[in-house]
Amino acid sequence: DTGVSQDPRHKITKRGQNVTFRCDPISEHNRLYWYRQTLGQGPEFLTYFQNEAQLEKSRLLSDRFSAERPKGSFSTLEIQRTEQGDSAMYLCASSTAGGQGKYFGPGTRLTVL
Amino acid sequence: AQKITQTQPGMFVQEKEAVTLDCTYDTSDQSYGLFWYKQPSSGEMIFLIYQGSYDEQNATEGRYSLNFQKARKSANLVISASQLGDSAMYFCAVNYGGATNKLIFGTGTLLAVQP
Repeated sequence: DTGVSQDPRHKITKRGQNVTFRCDPISEHNRLYWYRQTLGQGPEFLTYFQNEAQLEKSRLLSDRFSAERPKGSFSTLEIQRTEQGDSAMYLCASSTAGGQGKYFGPGTRLTVL
Repeated sequence: AQKITQTQPGMFVQEKEAVTLDCTYDTSDQSYGLFWYKQPSSGEMIFLIYQGSYDEQNATEGRYSLNFQKARKSANLVISASQLGDSAMYFCAVNYGGATNKLIFGTGTLLAVQP
């Protein structure tokens, strides 16, 4: 059990560029979540996968955001045409189906200049 | 709307003393889960403790215990024998069940442990 990993840990980009983040969940976890955390706030739910199926998306997830989990293992979160308001920590979490412990990765800190 | 309230933006505690971090939640659901996470300055969210709404005994994990008062919709975290390494942000979160089991977080409490 190596824990949830995320890559990159930090990303600085210019407004208008596209960025992609990766999350590798704990290997036996079939549930995967993306959250966004802005300064001074708790994490906010973005989207949820069970295996490869994306079952829920928050209204926070505008059409510039897309997430995939093609083989039910790792997941990617892409932001197109980044805006300064996208600057935040993007956190990934995973759990088993009945799992109450949701384990988070270290996050990707995005800064949009 | 489901809301989690952490009324203490910041707390100080002396090393080796106990501290209670408050959390209240708003729900009409009968089945839900209560979580506490620690977030050090490095940013990772560390899972500390979980309590199910049907659990009658308060959860404990080492120096952490959850003071669950269902009628008051309160789920306070008690940290005993505080250590300098406990200095961090602490978030209360609630999982309201359903198919997603997503977490709704409070705004956090910043705990500073003083030597």
